[in-house]
Amino acid sequence: EAGVTQFPSHSVIEKGQTVTLRCDPISGHDNLYWYRRVMGKEIKFLLHFVKESKQDESGMPNNRFLAERTGGTYSTLKVQPAELEDSGVYFCASAERLNTGELFFGEGSRLTVL
Amino acid sequence: QKEVEQNSGPLSVPEGAIASLNCTYSDRGSQSFFWYRQYSGKSPELIMSIYSNGDKEDGRFTAQLNKASQYVSLLIRDSQPSDSATYLCAVSDSGGYQKVTFGTGTKLQVIP
Repeated sequence: EAGVTQFPSHSVIEKGQTVTLRCDPISGHDNLYWYRRVMGKEIKFLLHFVKESKQDESGMPNNRFLAERTGGTYSTLKVQPAELEDSGVYFCASAERLNTGELFFGEGSRLTVL
Repeated sequence: QKEVEQNSGPLSVPEGAIASLNCTYSDRGSQSFFWYRQYSGKSPELIMSIYSNGDKEDGRFTAQLNKASQYVSLLIRDSQPSDSATYLCAVSDSGGYQKVTFGTGTKLQVIP
């Protein structure tokens, strides 16, 4: 069974440009999460989809970030325009059920904004 | 105050020793507690979950929870070099939507 896959693994862009990160969850997992880790800090929650609906987007930093999950399958996270402080590793995770706490993580997309 | 606090380490232990990793959390409403292991450059992987006070053992790993003290720990017995990784403590509230909050992680080094 394929795990959570993320693309790209690393993206280097200049301040003001746009980047779109993609996450393919494990097939059949309705719950999809985006997390971000900035250097030296903890992995911070961004948002949670249940199928195509945003269940909780309280962790989204600001309106430069837009997450979508059309059709309830893969998800995209767009940053537009990117700022220096957006640099970090963006993790996607999926879960089959809500009550086990078992999140299956992708290997992350490292974003570097210059 | 951070929601989930861990000593960043590194914690160095000799091979075969017991490694003890600790974590405190601030939200008294937290209901579920997890330990994830993350090898360098890889994704976090769940290794233990605990929901009630006391100890939970799984092979060489024992998770301990004390809700009154808001304290979670992970013991690794007979530590192996392959256990060298960053261990993330994570906490989930009772909101039902599984928002998992992570600590910064403790880096463990097992010296052969």
